[in-house]
Amino acid sequence: DAGVTQSPTHLIKTRGQHVTLRCSPISGHKSVSWYQQVLGQGPQFIFQYYEKEERGRGNFPDRFSARQFPNYSSELNVNALLLGDSALYLCASSPAVFWEQYFGPGTRLTVT
Amino acid sequence: AQKVTQAQTEISVVEKEDVTLDCVYETRDTTYYLFWYKQPPSGELVFLIRRNSFDEQNEISGRYSWNFQKSTSSFNFTITASQVVDSAVYFCALSGGYSTLTFGKGTMLLVSP
Repeated sequence: DAGVTQSPTHLIKTRGQHVTLRCSPISGHKSVSWYQQVLGQGPQFIFQYYEKEERGRGNFPDRFSARQFPNYSSELNVNALLLGDSALYLCASSPAVFWEQYFGPGTRLTVT
Repeated sequence: AQKVTQAQTEISVVEKEDVTLDCVYETRDTTYYLFWYKQPPSGELVFLIRRNSFDEQNEISGRYSWNFQKSTSSFNFTITASQVVDSAVYFCALSGGYSTLTFGKGTMLLVSP
């Protein structure tokens, strides 16, 4: 069975631009979460979606937004990119909330 | 607020040594879950274990074992007879009322031949 997939793998953007990251969960998983991992740190929670509804939001500015589609895939959008947004963005899926989360390979975003 | 502390930033051992990675957590939730994840150089987080707050039994899986002590808010991870393939960053994480994960800063384990 396929694991969590994310696209693109790498991305280079300029300050002020907008970016969309995509995630497909493991088949049968209805919950998707997004995390930001800055080099040398643990992942930080951004959003969680379950059954297409937002179930949690971390301490990130409104420039960050997300949504979940009927097929349970998800998009993370970041507007007005800053240099500090450079990080590995991880998507995780789980069958439901409170279950263990399985992570994708991440999208490495570099903002110049 | 939830917090996970992994005081060991980096540990270096020689193959076949036993190594313990420490994790201390803080939460006000009465029901919570603790996790360990492994992040090899490839970057993908690999799930290792989940424990709930009501189950303090230690667990062993092959060379891996976990010691959960509610009295000291600790959830330590021991690798027995370490191998080079164990080299990675290991994260302890906590999930409380909202099921989202709060991670520690990670411990980098270097196992040399």
